Amino acid sequence: EVQLLESGGGLVQPGESLRLSCAASGFTFNKYAMSWVRQAPGKGLEWVSGISHSSGSTYYADSVKGRFTISRDNSKNTLYLQMNSLRAEDTALYYCAKDLNTYGPGYFDYWGQGTLVTVSS
Amino acid sequence: QSVLTQPPSASGTPGQRVTISCSGSSSNIGSNTVNWYQQLPGTAPKLLIYSNNQRPSGVPDRFSGSKSGTSASLAISGLQSEDEADYYCAAYDDSLNGVEFGGGTKLTVL
Repeated sequence: EVQLLESGGGLVQPGESLRLSCAASGFTFNKYAMSWVRQAPGKGLEWVSGISHSSGSTYYADSVKGRFTISRDNSKNTLYLQMNSLRAEDTALYYCAKDLNTYGPGYFDYWGQGTLVTVSS
Repeated sequence: QSVLTQPPSASGTPGQRVTISCSGSSSNIGSNTVNWYQQLPGTAPKLLIYSNNQRPSGVPDRFSGSKSGTSASLAISGLQSEDEADYYCAAYDDSLNGVEFGGGTKLTVL
């Protein structure tokens, strides 16, 4: 059974940093691209960032480019999102999503339950 | 503002057929496949349709997708109360180099 378990969310002040993790199991992690997708309270889905199966390619939404860094450790079956210079508008539930593609980002067949990030003073 | 445009709401009665539209441009829907996600209240999104019209295993054949030019649509036939959810279209955008989601459509079963 595919499982994606996010962690690392919390309450931070504007300008601070946070690192999210997503522990994956139930599939061959190093064969698939992965992404982070967020959802602000009461709002729609927003794709944030994606990474290819071997970390050779990374992709970012304009809204986070230069502030967020996606990475993965295939030896640990774990996806990361380093978030710097956080803003109030980054407040959201952050989902980890498995891509059906190898190089991605494409379409997401499995999603975690999300980890909540709140940026507020 | 979302790059992909969906109606904010849709509704139907049990047994009815409803469609949800998704309008984009040549850099997204016009040149890439469209995927649809269903988000039931309080849960994570679920892949409903991929590659314009393919259903993952376990998704009932009441759900179908189509694409024409720079637009796509999701059709739900034999509407059921458990179909009440938010529906999102998505496609890769070649200009933005990333995935774009529509703003979402809240489906109400009357």
